[in-house]
Amino acid sequence: QKEVEQDPGPLSVPEGAIVSLNCTYSNSAFQYFMWYRQYSRKGPELLMYTYSSGNKEDGRFTAQVDKSSKYISLFIRDSQPSDSATYLCAMKAAGNKLTFGGGTRVLVKP
Amino acid sequence: EAGVTQFPSHSVIEKGQTVTLRCDPISGHDNLYWYRRVMGKEIKFLLHFVKESKQDESGMPNNRFLAERTGGTYSTLKVQPAELEDSGVYFCASSQDRTGRDGYTFGSGTRLTVV
Repeated sequence: QKEVEQDPGPLSVPEGAIVSLNCTYSNSAFQYFMWYRQYSRKGPELLMYTYSSGNKEDGRFTAQVDKSSKYISLFIRDSQPSDSATYLCAMKAAGNKLTFGGGTRVLVKP
Repeated sequence: EAGVTQFPSHSVIEKGQTVTLRCDPISGHDNLYWYRRVMGKEIKFLLHFVKESKQDESGMPNNRFLAERTGGTYSTLKVQPAELEDSGVYFCASSQDRTGRDGYTFGSGTRLTVV
């Protein structure tokens, strides 16, 4: 069983819709949670970083962490075609090693 | 501020040959990481340098892989001899904070194809 599960998609939404992404994990030692965006032929780009249960908002992005359920989410409001990318969740315990989900492909249609 | 730079961006080599990948982290970032993504799999950790010292190399797949970071600046990852299963995208990342609380900045990756 993978430590981090993420639906590969693709997830197709119309422009302006809310994009909802999520990951589940099995390792209760994970304390820090991240969301990365990756465009084709580029490296992952950090979007959100959280380390406690609850919500964190940054512009159109909201990250949610529920440690009791081992479940994290990312919401993108007012989605734009430029948001079309692969979104990766990543998490780590006390050390520095990141464990990634497989990524979800998102397509925002104009 | 220049980002993390990796080269080559793409390398095609024959099985049994040697390839060396290079990563230049963001200036001043003591922490440097190597990750890779093989086809159909998640991005996986290979190793972590703090300056020139290997902090964690638990993800290195076998002794055909050798990573160095002489002088604590740029890093190289050598694969010798390359096997077909080594094909994938190799990412380098760096961070300033030892805990990674500032997040990790990734390079664009080196796409390695072993034929």
